[in-house]
Amino acid sequence: QVQLVQSGAEVREPGASVRVSCKTSGYRFTNNDIIWMRQAPGQGLEWMGWINVGSGNTQYSQKFQGRVTITRDTYASTVYVELSRLTSEDTAVYYCARNGGGLGYWGQGTLVTVSA
Amino acid sequence: QSALTQPRSVSGSPGQSVTISCTGTSSDIGGYNFVSWYQQYPGKAPKVMIYDVNQRPSGVPDRFSGSKFGNAASLTISGLQAEDEADYYCCSYAGGHTLVLGGGTKVTVL
Repeated sequence: QVQLVQSGAEVREPGASVRVSCKTSGYRFTNNDIIWMRQAPGQGLEWMGWINVGSGNTQYSQKFQGRVTITRDTYASTVYVELSRLTSEDTAVYYCARNGGGLGYWGQGTLVTVSA
Repeated sequence: QSALTQPRSVSGSPGQSVTISCTGTSSDIGGYNFVSWYQQYPGKAPKVMIYDVNQRPSGVPDRFSGSKFGNAASLTISGLQAEDEADYYCCSYAGGHTLVLGGGTKVTVL
């Protein structure tokens, strides 16, 4: 069965960077693109970026341009999102999701807390 | 990339129908037939309920339906049940491998 398993919760100080991983299984990794979203406490979903897993090509939300990097490791069937220059406004649950039939499969979410 | 517009909340009694609207532009909803809807319970990951405007994934009850007209899309829940009380988000492809989301609608079952 298809699974997306994300790395555990992270705590960072303002100005630092964080990397969250999304390990996939149960399907051919290069067949489906991966999307990253986030959700701040009590807020709605926010699209961050998109990676074509086969080519490695990425597209990012204008809001995060210059601060976000999405990469993939095809051998590990894993996608990563890295966000730099963190502020308290980046405190959120970060989700990866597989594209195909809408966003049909999601990771469990990773809480990133930015606090001094 | 402007957000899609959804009502903050809708409500209905069990058995009634409710419709959630999602308004965009010709650059997103109006330009592509790639509108999807997600249900989210507190503390849980979202779940796709409708994709490609009106396609229902396996396992989603047929009382959930989607449609689109021009730059707006809608999600209708017929025969509302207590378990349908959740937040719902619309999402549209906006070209160039970008997505745009609505702000979310809280559905309350009275």
